[in-house]
Amino acid sequence: DGGITQSPKYLFRKEGQNVTLSCEQNLNHDAMYWYRQDPGQGLRLIYYSQIVNDFQKGDIAEGYSVSREKKESFPLTVTSAQKNPTAFYLCASTEWGQAGTEAFFGQGTRLTVV
Amino acid sequence: SQKIEQNSEALNIQEGKTATLTCNYTNYSPAYLQWYRQDPGRGPVFLLLIRENEKEKRKERLKVTFDTTLKQSLFHITASQPADSATYLCALDGSSNTGKLIFGQGTTLQVKP
Repeated sequence: DGGITQSPKYLFRKEGQNVTLSCEQNLNHDAMYWYRQDPGQGLRLIYYSQIVNDFQKGDIAEGYSVSREKKESFPLTVTSAQKNPTAFYLCASTEWGQAGTEAFFGQGTRLTVV
Repeated sequence: SQKIEQNSEALNIQEGKTATLTCNYTNYSPAYLQWYRQDPGRGPVFLLLIRENEKEKRKERLKVTFDTTLKQSLFHITASQPADSATYLCALDGSSNTGKLIFGQGTTLQVKP
């Protein structure tokens, strides 16, 4: 079955640690996105990539980094510079990076700082 | 700045009734508007997309309207069922040449048997 796989489902981070969230898609989609969701708030865009080896900052990129070395993979690193990383992280893809295309989401990773 | 608002209060309705959810936006003229369903602890699932030149879109028991003058979209679920209980998100296109979306905070619907 085609889809987006995020791992792990739950992740615990100690203060000062960097952690990497995995996102893999087998939909052959060009564009991929990372969103953050906090309780009572809408999804906020962290980073997005419209093509391999290229990515752009979203609205809340500070404290995060990404890479897009392969079309099917778009990992997100939450660095120690992100002061409030506890949240639900969602990866998405669209067939092409244009307006008007539906987004396919993974099942999310819930990150907690301990 | 662009702003999207959905009713943050949960909507509770009786099974069989029509649920109507509202999405309002300001400082923006989107070309597309999308609705997603999100269950607890899971990623959103796409439901419907409506273009700015479309007044209404239907899919089975779902209907979406898009009023660019009022800057509002209404999302209707007819003959609602307990299985329709979830959070519903509206999203607008963030720009014309990317697929990034701007989301509302979502409205939680509870359908009681």
